[in-house]
Amino acid sequence: DAMVIQNPRYQVTQFGKPVTLSCSQTLNHNVMYWYQQKSSQAPKLLFHYYDKDFNNEADTPDNFQSRRPNTSFCFLDIRSPGLGDAAMYLCATKSGIPTTNEKLFFGSGTQLSVL
Amino acid sequence: DQQVKQNSPSLSVQEGRISILNCDYTNSMFDYFLWYKKYPAEGPTFLISISSIKDKNEDGRFTVFLNKSAKHLSLHIVPSQPGDSAVYFCAALSGGYQKVTFGTGTKLQVIP
Repeated sequence: DAMVIQNPRYQVTQFGKPVTLSCSQTLNHNVMYWYQQKSSQAPKLLFHYYDKDFNNEADTPDNFQSRRPNTSFCFLDIRSPGLGDAAMYLCATKSGIPTTNEKLFFGSGTQLSVL
Repeated sequence: DQQVKQNSPSLSVQEGRISILNCDYTNSMFDYFLWYKKYPAEGPTFLISISSIKDKNEDGRFTVFLNKSAKHLSLHIVPSQPGDSAVYFCAALSGGYQKVTFGTGTKLQVIP
């Protein structure tokens, strides 16, 4: 049973055309993350939510926005995709309650292509 | 500023032998570490983790060792199997914080 679901798996958009990637979770986790991963690089944290509290990374471009309308869903909006935004976008969740097991649960990712 | 480093981009190991993947970190505030495995076009899957209060954690064929003084951890896979061929990411976080920082990954190839 998928616990963190990302749609779509593959997304093709045109240069400058807004695109939205979605993520949903059935784990009822407090924290949701969006990571960008380019080939042979570390997943780069764009932002995360702790419940409704939004935490933006300092180097995340303004072109990237996020919405979390409820616990289960989180969206990544790219307002004007450039060629450099082509990447795998990973959504992840975490409980947020300090435990001895702080693991993140990842979705399968959305591979974004920009033409 | 790469706070979590995996200096070996790739590693090849014969099936049945031990695979050792290394990870170094610079932030002394990190107190929890995780290893993830990633196949192409899929999201990372959790393998094993370790808290800074321990120096070893074992789960089946996977063992993680933590050397806090050296700010170094390693993942041992023994015996290695062809299905272990994937990219392995080391990740770290600080207690009380939600930000999780990943290393650049090591691509492991297990040769049958």
